Parts: sequence; C-alpha cells; structure tokens
Amino acid sequence: DAGVTQSPTHLIKTRGQHVTLRCSPISGHKSVSWYQQVLGQGPQFIFQYYEKEERGRGNFPDRFSARQFPNYSSELNVNALLLGDSALYLCASSRRPGGNQPQHFGDGTRLSIL
Amino acid sequence: DQQVKQNSPSLSVQEGRISILNCDYTNSMFDYFLWYKKYPAEGPTFLISISSIKDKNEDGRFTVFLNKSAKHLSLHIVPSQPGDSAVYFCAASGDGGTSYGKLTFGQGTILTVHP
Repeated sequence: DAGVTQSPTHLIKTRGQHVTLRCSPISGHKSVSWYQQVLGQGPQFIFQYYEKEERGRGNFPDRFSARQFPNYSSELNVNALLLGDSALYLCASSRRPGGNQPQHFGDGTRLSIL
Repeated sequence: DQQVKQNSPSLSVQEGRISILNCDYTNSMFDYFLWYKKYPAEGPTFLISISSIKDKNEDGRFTVFLNKSAKHLSLHIVPSQPGDSAVYFCAASGDGGTSYGKLTFGQGTILTVHP
C-alpha cells in the first residue's frame, strides 16, 4: 500500500509570495495533520483535520491555513511568505485523531524562501 | 515551553551493543508516547509506542520503557546495527485539552552505530 505522499518535494519562493502544499493520506486514514520542522528541531504541530473539519491548531499565525477534501487529501496554504517560513513541511495521517493512533508521515516538502 | 525534551543531542554506540535513548516530558496530560526514526531526506518513520497504562512495550529489537512518576521514557535498541544510525525523535500526545490529537516532539537525538 502507498504511504503518505506529499507534493512538491522541493519548492523555492520569494518573500511575500504564497504557497500551496499537498498531501494524500494512507488509504483508509481519515485524519491528516501538518507539521513544520526547522533545522535542528523536532516537528512542530500546525493543523489537524478529520472528516474535513479542523480538529486542532498549533501556535502559527493566520497566514497559515489548511483544508481537507472529501477524499481525505489535504492542502496547506501559507500566505505572505517570510524568510522564517523556510522549513520542511510534513504531513501525517492516521485512521482517526487522538487516542492511541500512531501518525504516519510523508517525506515532506522542503520550502526555501529567498 | 519545551514539554518534551531529549537532553542528549547525540549518542555513539558500537555495533552489537545496546543503544539507550532518553526522553523527559512535563505535561501530565500526555498519555500516549511514540518514538520515530528519521533518515536524511525522508519523513519520520514510526517505530514503537506505549500507552500510559503500561510501563513497557517490546517489538523485536526495540523496547520502550515508561516511568510515569518520573515523567521519563527511554528507547532501548538491542543489538544495535549500523542501519539504526539516524535521528530519533520522542513524541507525546493526549486526549482532551489542548494536546488532543497533536504530537509534541522532542528535539531529537542523533544515533551513530559504528561497525
């Protein structure tokens, strides 16, 4: 079975632009979460979606938004990009949110802001 | 506010010996703990988890121990193999409150296993 797939794998943008990152969960998984990982740190939680509804939000500005589609895939949008948004963006899926549910990660999108 | 801490940035071990990676947490609402392994240019790979109702969980060469009173968990890898060389992340989650559904990660420990 295919794992979590993310696109694109790499992206270069300039300050002020916006970006859309995409994620397809593992088949049968209805919950998708987004994380940001900067160099030398662990992933930081951005959003969690389940059944197309936002179920959790981390400490990120309103420039960050996301949505989940009927097929459970998801998009992460970031507006007005800043240099500090340069990071690895990871998507994870699980059958449902919360509880003893391991989240399984994709390989991420490496976003570089110039 | 670092709720999950891995105080050892790196660990070097000889092949065949035991690797012990440690993790401390502060949030008493956490009730589910996980370990992930990450190779460069790949996403984190789920290794093993433990619920707060247990104090040990074993899967092959990997064993996770949980000490709730000390808010401490550890991952034991026996025997260590060169292919185990990677960054290891400890993560925690809990139902309810502000930690529902999200994973809170430590900073990671770089494990190097020498042949």
